[in-house]
Amino acid sequence: DAGVIQSPRHEVTEMGQEVTLRCKPISGHDYLFWYRQTMMRGLELLIYFNNNVPIDDSGMPEDRFSAKMPNASFSTLKIQPSEPRDSAVYFCASSFQVWTDTQYFGPGTRLTVL
Amino acid sequence: AQSVAQPEDQVNVAEGNPLTVKCTYSVSGNPYLFWYVQYPNRGLQFLLKYITGDNLVKGSYGFEAEFNKSQTSFHLKKPSALVSDSALYFCAVRDSGSNYQLIWGAGTKLIIKP
Repeated sequence: DAGVIQSPRHEVTEMGQEVTLRCKPISGHDYLFWYRQTMMRGLELLIYFNNNVPIDDSGMPEDRFSAKMPNASFSTLKIQPSEPRDSAVYFCASSFQVWTDTQYFGPGTRLTVL
Repeated sequence: AQSVAQPEDQVNVAEGNPLTVKCTYSVSGNPYLFWYVQYPNRGLQFLLKYITGDNLVKGSYGFEAEFNKSQTSFHLKKPSALVSDSALYFCAVRDSGSNYQLIWGAGTKLIIKP
């Protein structure tokens, strides 16, 4: 298996633009997680899905952020409009079961909003 | 409420010496405990976990961790450090009796000097 795949690996955009991050989880994994990592706040869980259904989005910072999982092999995290404070590394992770199971992380997308 | 603490921002160890990266936690019920490692510009990788059973858990790359319930700790250890062990290490915890998400520590930067 290729592991969790994320695209793009790097994204540079200007304030106000829409940004879409993409994730393909490991086949057969029922859970998908979106994280954000910054120096100031560390690793934060934004939202997670179970069988394509969002379970907990309490970590989503504000309405500018939205996430979807239209099928078991694809998820998106969208920021509209983007702001400089959104600059961070965004990780997608997947796992077979819930919290006792290992989460497998993608390589991340480094987002820079100018 | 559940929480996890990694009291050291950075740990410096000479190559060949034993290393310890500390983690303490607070949960209401029984803990599920995890260690992950992050190499530069990479996603997090699973090292080991404690769910139940033997207090000494062995994981990848020669690492091990000991669950100590009385001290509410789960320190990561390795008998002989390698320069290639230099990375960022994260401890995470979840209360087995709750529906809460994994709580992540702030991370400890491990530097192994030749």
